[in-house]
Amino acid sequence: DTEVTQTPKHLVMGMTNKKSLKCEQHMGHRAMYWYKQKAKKPPELMFVYSYEKLSINESVPSRFSPECPNSSLLNLHLHALQPEDSALYLCASSQVALSGNTIYFGEGSWLTVV
Amino acid sequence: AQSVTQLGSHVSVSEGALVLLRCNYSSSVPPYLFWYVQYPNQGLQLLLKYTSAATLVKGINGFEAEFKKSETSFHLTKPSAHMSDAAEYFCAVSDRARGSSNTGKLIFGQGTTLQVKP
Repeated sequence: DTEVTQTPKHLVMGMTNKKSLKCEQHMGHRAMYWYKQKAKKPPELMFVYSYEKLSINESVPSRFSPECPNSSLLNLHLHALQPEDSALYLCASSQVALSGNTIYFGEGSWLTVV
Repeated sequence: AQSVTQLGSHVSVSEGALVLLRCNYSSSVPPYLFWYVQYPNQGLQLLLKYTSAATLVKGINGFEAEFKKSETSFHLTKPSAHMSDAAEYFCAVSDRARGSSNTGKLIFGQGTTLQVKP
């Protein structure tokens, strides 16, 4: 069983809505990640948080806004999304954000933008 | 820069047959390599990881992978396939950028879909 918990599992939102995806880990990890995965494709990195500070933003549009309230929680705020943003959003964590550390993934949140 | 290439986007085997999923990497430094599995409608689960401690790495569910530097390969094998092994498999390398750019992010291959026939 994954120790990275994501809610909601499914989300349908309109292009004018504001919604949030939530992620929680209880492994004491200090690095957390958001990935986006389209069907039949590998995950694509969006953001990396290290010790609650944003360390990587992979040129993600501003309609996606990450937030790390504390070392266990990671949110992804969504606003004015486009239908092409429909995808599986995966949260992940690792002990620290360094090469070789195992990254553990959650089950994902399926997002549909209508 | 590191990269991985998975040969064969789709592999089909019979139940009980050998599973071989191919992964080749490119890296100018000793790599950290991973295999993940993704079952339908689920997240990614770590199968195994290579960090230079041993070239033959054993993972969960009977899978193992062998690191071959001379061939720049890290192929995944399982002696006998089960129906429950049907899934998407991703090979990944851990980015080894220097300094503050080193965040350990994973660089994934394109994935291989494993089909297991009864």
